[in-house]
Amino acid sequence: DARVTQTPRDKVTEMGQEVTMRCQPILGHNTVFWYRQTMMQGLELLAYFRNRAPLDDSGMPKDRFSAEMPDATLATLKIQPSEPRDSAVYFCASGWGRNTGELFFGEGSRLTVL
Amino acid sequence: DQQVKQNSPSLSVQEGRISILNCDYTNSMFDYFLWYKKYPAEGPTFLISISSIKDKNEDGRFTVFLNKSAKHLSLHIVPSQPGDSAVYFCAAPGSSNTGKLIFGQGTTLQVKP
Repeated sequence: DARVTQTPRDKVTEMGQEVTMRCQPILGHNTVFWYRQTMMQGLELLAYFRNRAPLDDSGMPKDRFSAEMPDATLATLKIQPSEPRDSAVYFCASGWGRNTGELFFGEGSRLTVL
Repeated sequence: DQQVKQNSPSLSVQEGRISILNCDYTNSMFDYFLWYKKYPAEGPTFLISISSIKDKNEDGRFTVFLNKSAKHLSLHIVPSQPGDSAVYFCAAPGSSNTGKLIFGQGTTLQVKP
């Protein structure tokens, strides 16, 4: 049963600390997306990759967020330093990169920054 | 600039009745739309989609209607069941052949027994 795996599921940290979220996309998918769920914006796109190359990270605050895909089985989203306003649920999703293709989401990483 | 909008944050209906969830979009270039369903502590999952060449797509109890002139789509659930209680997101592809989806803010549906 192929699925997107995200770690950690829950993270509580202090303001100023570094946070790294990890994602294992579904094998064979060539696109990987990072979304953040907020009450006001819904599912907000932060960054995405095709064939491990970053295509667009314009949704991320560049000064503190970074997204990488060191290999085909791992995508990371890092926040340094974290701030209370970063508290949200972060989702990773993968797909085949077609407009008519659905995305498959992980269960999310709930981040709380105190 | 919110290109996909769901203006109703929540909806409550009685079991067995119809649920209608609405979505508006601003970009007339969008040619495909999807609905996702999300339960608490889970990721969103694909529910149903529609191409702009159609005005209706049906899958069991779920039907999506598209009104291109009004830039409006709706998801109908008939009959509604308590297990349908979830957050529903509508989405549209953001640019050609990237697979990127632009999502609305979501509508929380509560179906009361």
